[in-house]
Amino acid sequence: AQKVTQAQTEISVVEKEDVTLDCVYETRDTTYYLFWYKQPPSGELVFLIRRNSFDEQNEISGRYSWNFQKSTSSFNFTITASQVVDSAVYFCALSPGGYQKVTFGTGTKLQVIP
Amino acid sequence: DAGVTQSPTHLIKTRGQQVTLRCSPKSGHDTVSWYQQALGQGPQFIFQYYEEEERQRGNFPDRFSGHQFPNYSSELNVNALLLGDSALYLCASSPPSGSSGNTIYFGEGSWLTVV
Repeated sequence: AQKVTQAQTEISVVEKEDVTLDCVYETRDTTYYLFWYKQPPSGELVFLIRRNSFDEQNEISGRYSWNFQKSTSSFNFTITASQVVDSAVYFCALSPGGYQKVTFGTGTKLQVIP
Repeated sequence: DAGVTQSPTHLIKTRGQQVTLRCSPKSGHDTVSWYQQALGQGPQFIFQYYEEEERQRGNFPDRFSGHQFPNYSSELNVNALLLGDSALYLCASSPPSGSSGNTIYFGEGSWLTVV
């Protein structure tokens, strides 16, 4: 069985602060994919990143960065210099390679205060 | 290039009624999945369609059924609606296996309220 845990239910930060969203996962698969999605109030899940289990290289994309550590089964997401537009619910997710069934965490609601 | 499109965006139904939700996948995508997202929760996998057949199914009762058409579009049907079926229903599509990896794109969802 697969499981994704996002222990932080809600986070509030002041604009321009850095914030890290935690994600811990469980899987017995040797090949798997990890995702982060952003969900604004409109409801659409916006794809942010996909990482496969063989690639532990950290990634930076603008103000976003991701830290994948297989040894601790974690895939954390950091937003640098947060902005009000970053306010949303962020989901960490996991899927086995090859098929589309995705297991989501319960989400972390981020509020960036101006 | 249109992304994943869903209809209707909002609807209200009465307990016991039936509902049909529709999804058109992103261009070039052949696999469609449906998810249910209750308020304050993460999306839960309902089922997946590929080549017009149900390939995988999550832990949902038989009241939830689906269909995929030759043009890859899909429908989700829910019979005998319960109050607990009130949720955001998300459609997701992905490209053929081996192309663009395993990236999944979601639509904006259909908000279903059962009264």
